Amino acid sequence: SQQGEEDPQALSIQEGENATMNCSYKTSINNLQWYRQNSGRGLVHLILIRSNEREKHSGRLRVTLDTSKKSSSLLITASRAADTASYFCATDAKGYGQNFVFGPGTRLSVLP
Amino acid sequence: DTEVTQTPKHLVMGMTNKKSLKCEQHMGHRAMYWYKQKAKKPPELMFVYSYEKLSINESVPSRFSPECPNSSLLNLHLHALQPEDSALYLCASSQDGGIQETQYFGPGTRLLVL
Repeated sequence: SQQGEEDPQALSIQEGENATMNCSYKTSINNLQWYRQNSGRGLVHLILIRSNEREKHSGRLRVTLDTSKKSSSLLITASRAADTASYFCATDAKGYGQNFVFGPGTRLSVLP
Repeated sequence: DTEVTQTPKHLVMGMTNKKSLKCEQHMGHRAMYWYKQKAKKPPELMFVYSYEKLSINESVPSRFSPECPNSSLLNLHLHALQPEDSALYLCASSQDGGIQETQYFGPGTRLLVL
């Protein structure tokens, strides 16, 4: 069964606005990662948050993790047209690091 | 060099053909992965190689046959595929398949089975 579930599935915003995407998962994890995929191409790693961390920042990205609710959020601040992509969360079942399970993804459109 | 390369970029094959997808990395990674991704869906793990040994096979049909000739190369041999196998096939690598590792993805091979 799928570990991660993203919400919303699609999101359209104007340039300069913030975009928030959420991810829920079902079992215990070692870490949760976020990846970006530009239209039908390979995935690019954005950020990893460990199960004992609650918040992490990287540039315009802010990720939170709530292990009690089994959920994470990705916030992109001051969005740009170049942020248009699909965003996936990925989790590894605790103790089974190789087995990534990706959520269904959020398709973000940033309009100029 | 943090690049994973995949060839070919596009592949069209008939159901009776035999073809191979290739993946290469020179980051010294010891774990390599094959994923299948259908349109507007997330990648789904197919196989994992760790130190050139197959460590995970996610119940993939035998018409897909992975091969890891050395630590830098990963192949996916295709035979007697079905139209529903048309998808983007992604290769990835990571340090050695342990926990809390980032996976580095190639650009993918877009496969169409006629």
